[in-house]
Amino acid sequence: ETGVTQTPRHLVMGMTNKKSLKCEQHLGHNAMYWYKQSAKKPLELMFVYNFKEQTENNSVPSRFSPECPNSSHLFLHLHTLQPEDSALYLCASSQTLSGSSYEQYFGPGTRLTVT
Amino acid sequence: KQEVTQIPAALSVPEGENLVLNCSFTDSAIYNLQWFRQDPGKGLTSLLLIQSSQREQTSGRLNASLDKSSGRSTLYIAASQPGDSATYLCAVKTLAGNMLTFGGGTRLMVKP
Repeated sequence: ETGVTQTPRHLVMGMTNKKSLKCEQHLGHNAMYWYKQSAKKPLELMFVYNFKEQTENNSVPSRFSPECPNSSHLFLHLHTLQPEDSALYLCASSQTLSGSSYEQYFGPGTRLTVT
Repeated sequence: KQEVTQIPAALSVPEGENLVLNCSFTDSAIYNLQWFRQDPGKGLTSLLLIQSSQREQTSGRLNASLDKSSGRSTLYIAASQPGDSATYLCAVKTLAGNMLTFGGGTRLMVKP
């Protein structure tokens, strides 16, 4: 257990559905991240939040909509996804964004399949 | 733009062997480099974090080295065990920006 939980662990959705992924961290961290891990591709950063404010959007399509209501919770709202969006979505948190000593702690991921 | 490469992509060794995983990066202006382990279908577990001013870090049977000037890091695993079978990822945090850039990983299989 890393102190970062994600729900659901598995999700199958159609291209016209709307769903949300949830991430919660119990570490008292201030920064949270969404990553996408597709088959045979390196892990890609999607969004970064610091003290509830979005600081990075790595050119992510608008069909992915993040929400960070507080420093402990992070959501990823999904709508009109494409089959190529099927991937493992990982959430992470860290004490701070800047500085050399922070480590990122990852959740177990949500395996998303778009049909 | 930072690029991180890991070689080999896959490795199979007999139990007990010492092994080295390689990571290279193109931009040497980094804050730190982190090695992770990922089991199939699971999240990432941090193994070692090396600050840019450090040369190596050790944890148990694991030793990670960093040569920032040449853009290289190695993860040394001593006396490998079947339980070490997993994908090992390295990631660097570049001074410019707040993002970790990951390599493609090395998939390790340790056979009993």
